[in-house]
Amino acid sequence: SQELEQSPQSLIVQEGKNLTINCTSSKTLYGLYWYKQKYGEGLIFLMMLQKGGEEKSHEKITAKLDEKKQQSSLHITASQPSHAGIYLCGADSWYTGNQFYFGTGTSLTVIP
Amino acid sequence: EAQVTQNPRYLITVTGKKLTVTCSQNMNHEYMSWYRQDPGLGLRQIYYSMNVEVTDKGDVPEGYKVSRKEKRNFPLILESPSPNQTSLYFCASSLDRVQYFGPGTRLTVT
Repeated sequence: SQELEQSPQSLIVQEGKNLTINCTSSKTLYGLYWYKQKYGEGLIFLMMLQKGGEEKSHEKITAKLDEKKQQSSLHITASQPSHAGIYLCGADSWYTGNQFYFGTGTSLTVIP
Repeated sequence: EAQVTQNPRYLITVTGKKLTVTCSQNMNHEYMSWYRQDPGLGLRQIYYSMNVEVTDKGDVPEGYKVSRKEKRNFPLILESPSPNQTSLYFCASSLDRVQYFGPGTRLTVT
């Protein structure tokens, strides 16, 4: 089955600092998706990456998919308290058909 | 407003008492899915549906049933709940593979 490993599991940063979250897949991806979840609430879609080498940005958040389509990174520039929450990567792949998998998440705390 | 709704939001029940968690979306999406979220295990797919009358197992289907009689609704049925089904459940619907999630249902089985 598809496995997605996220690192780190948790992150505590001072406001204004940059940070990176990584997501590694056990199989070549069809699509890689980043979501944000506030504690105990539903997930909010951030970005979708499909092509190897693709990079997308939304406000101060940038996500990249590597050329081999097995690893993605999410980078936050000049973090703010509003960035706090759980970041999850999700994926579907040619191997899994219409199933969808998520990583275990990275909990981000931003200290004002 | 485009949304996915789930009911109830919170539920405490006893072992063996059948229950249904409803999910409805107003976006005319064909794909719908159920997930459970547990600490340390992340979000795992229970069942998904590509369209009306088409459902498939996800990674953790044991102990759950679903049905898709209408495009907008995708209820999750626990015929005989057990304590290991205590979890936070999310329904999602999808357009072009981007999933939109409901607010979650926190289920406790005692």
